[in-house]
Amino acid sequence: SQQGEEDPQALSIQEGENATMNCSYKTSINNLQWYRQNSGRGLVHLILIRSNEREKHSGRLRVTLDTSKKSSSLLITASRAADTASYFCATGFINDYKLSFGAGTTVTVRA
Amino acid sequence: DAGITQSPRYKITETGRQVTLMCHQTWSHSYMFWYRQDLGHGLRLIYYSAAADITDKGEVPDGYVVSRSKTENFPLTLESATRSQTSVYFCASSEAFSGGTGELFFGEGSRLTVL
Repeated sequence: SQQGEEDPQALSIQEGENATMNCSYKTSINNLQWYRQNSGRGLVHLILIRSNEREKHSGRLRVTLDTSKKSSSLLITASRAADTASYFCATGFINDYKLSFGAGTTVTVRA
Repeated sequence: DAGITQSPRYKITETGRQVTLMCHQTWSHSYMFWYRQDLGHGLRLIYYSAAADITDKGEVPDGYVVSRSKTENFPLTLESATRSQTSVYFCASSEAFSGGTGELFFGEGSRLTVL
């Protein structure tokens, strides 16, 4: 089974609103990463948060990590139509170099 | 051009045939990965590699073979294709990061249909 699970599976919001999605995982991690995938394209890295970090920002993105709850959240503020995509969390393991992905959250931003 | 390239981008084959998907990266990244993406399953790891001649099985390795004789290439072979292997395949590469894996750089994907 996959390490990470995103919630919700799908999200539809109005342009300008914030979008929040969550990721839960099962085992201890080295780091947690978020990726975006536009339709028909490869995944693009958004942000990496280490296991000893609690929050990280990058432009309109804010990621939090709660290792005690084994969960992370991705917040996209002031959404735009171009943010329409699928978003995936991926967990990196301690002393292992594989990266395990969740099933993703599909975000639709309505104009 | 620097980057990671996959070929072919689209492939239609028949059950029982052998298919090889190619992956080439120009960064000399140590780590390389093969994932498959299916609706409802997200990305599932097939095989991964830490360096030339070092490979490890991921979540769904059955029916696939990989090799890595050179750092920059990581081909994935379906020895006898089955319909259940119809999928989009993504290759990715990365460097090490604090004892784990850093940012993955993905190719554009190879869409495989097995009839």
